[in-house]
Amino acid sequence: AQTVTQSQPEMSVQEAETVTLSCTYDTSENNYYLFWYKQPPSRQMILVIRQEAYKQQNATENRFSVNFQKAAKSFSLKISDSQLGDTAMYFCAFLGTSYDKVIFGPGTSLSVIP
Amino acid sequence: NAGVTQTPKFQVLKTGQSMTLQCAQDMNHNSMYWYRQDPGMGLRLIYYSASEGTTDKGEVPNGYNVSRLNKREFSLRLESAAPSQTSVYFCASKRGWRGQSRQPQHFGDGTRLSIL
Repeated sequence: AQTVTQSQPEMSVQEAETVTLSCTYDTSENNYYLFWYKQPPSRQMILVIRQEAYKQQNATENRFSVNFQKAAKSFSLKISDSQLGDTAMYFCAFLGTSYDKVIFGPGTSLSVIP
Repeated sequence: NAGVTQTPKFQVLKTGQSMTLQCAQDMNHNSMYWYRQDPGMGLRLIYYSASEGTTDKGEVPNGYNVSRLNKREFSLRLESAAPSQTSVYFCASKRGWRGQSRQPQHFGDGTRLSIL
């Protein structure tokens, strides 16, 4: 069974600085997809970035980028130039191609400090 | 432009009562999901439906039943509510899987359920 681990329950960062959130996963599949979702206090789930395992190039979306290490089964999220609006829970998620299940990690609560 | 709609948004039940949470999507998605969110545990998959007419268990299915009524609707039922089922419940949908697996999920706004 696939599992997703986020080892940092809480993190904080100063506004305008850079922070990296960690995610590791366990799977026997070779092709799969990884996602980072953001959940602000409004409770909405917002897709931040996605990565396809067969692509070696790390995904980037504006200030958000990932460091995908397939052999290590690691998928970290880097937020550059942190903004107050980045304060939220961040969830790492795994989607295999054998079954249509999306599995989430326990989340990291990020606080951006002015 | 509704997306995924969950009803109700809030509900308080007594132990032993039954309840059905409703979810509907208007994006013509094939796959639908029910999650529960508890502090420190993230979103845990209860049940999912990869297509109309099929349902499968997720990580925490005990105490729940689901119905994929049609392509649009996927309901979650608590037959005999227990305090351990106090949680926030999210419904999500996705275009499909296999060739369309990389499409992300779209989430509803959640239902906060308290069981006394």
